[in-house]
Amino acid sequence: NAGVTQTPKFQVLKTGQSMTLQCAQDMNHEYMSWYRQDPGMGLRLIHYSVGAGITDQGEVPNGYNVSRSTTEDFPLRLLSAAPSQTSVYFCASRSTLTGNYGYTFGSGTRLTVV
Amino acid sequence: DAKTTQPNSMESNEEEPVHLPCNHSTISGTDYIHWYRQLPSQGPEYVIHGLTSNVNNRMASLAIAEDRKSSTLILHRATLRDAAVYYCILPTSGTYKYIFGTGTRLKVLA
Repeated sequence: NAGVTQTPKFQVLKTGQSMTLQCAQDMNHEYMSWYRQDPGMGLRLIHYSVGAGITDQGEVPNGYNVSRSTTEDFPLRLLSAAPSQTSVYFCASRSTLTGNYGYTFGSGTRLTVV
Repeated sequence: DAKTTQPNSMESNEEEPVHLPCNHSTISGTDYIHWYRQLPSQGPEYVIHGLTSNVNNRMASLAIAEDRKSSTLILHRATLRDAAVYYCILPTSGTYKYIFGTGTRLKVLA
């Protein structure tokens, strides 16, 4: 059981470039979300999804797009990278079954925009 | 989402109990209280959650005040591996949105 897998682990982008951060889970979890964590700060919610075909915005959605075509995958797209998007990005998933409240987080993608 | 307030940092000696407080005075009657921790250079991990009564698991205990306006995460014997940032979270009832605050950074002294 791999849990939540994020790729790549590290990435350097130039300002204006676009890229997709990948997130996959093999636990059949309905709920998935993306967070960013700036140095010394807590996590901020970017986007989340309650199931395939359904996404919604979190606290800091600007500059990011998401889609959820399958239960397993929840990619995060940076449309035009900016230095302010330098951060560590975490993907998380959880089941919506009653009694199962724990989120499983991936190990993160460290993104630097120069 | 209900707001939580935690101290920025705390220290504890190894092998001693640690009580990590969280205030959530605007909590609604159906909001669960969740705790996560984040070890250095890792993603957060689930610790414990509860609604009204105290809860125990292999990692920790959660003590919830009778009026539910505050709670305390209890680590019974802190180890060096418990050094982490601990987050208290109140997801809005009926949603799965977690809004993380800045948490409490726990330092464990050998």
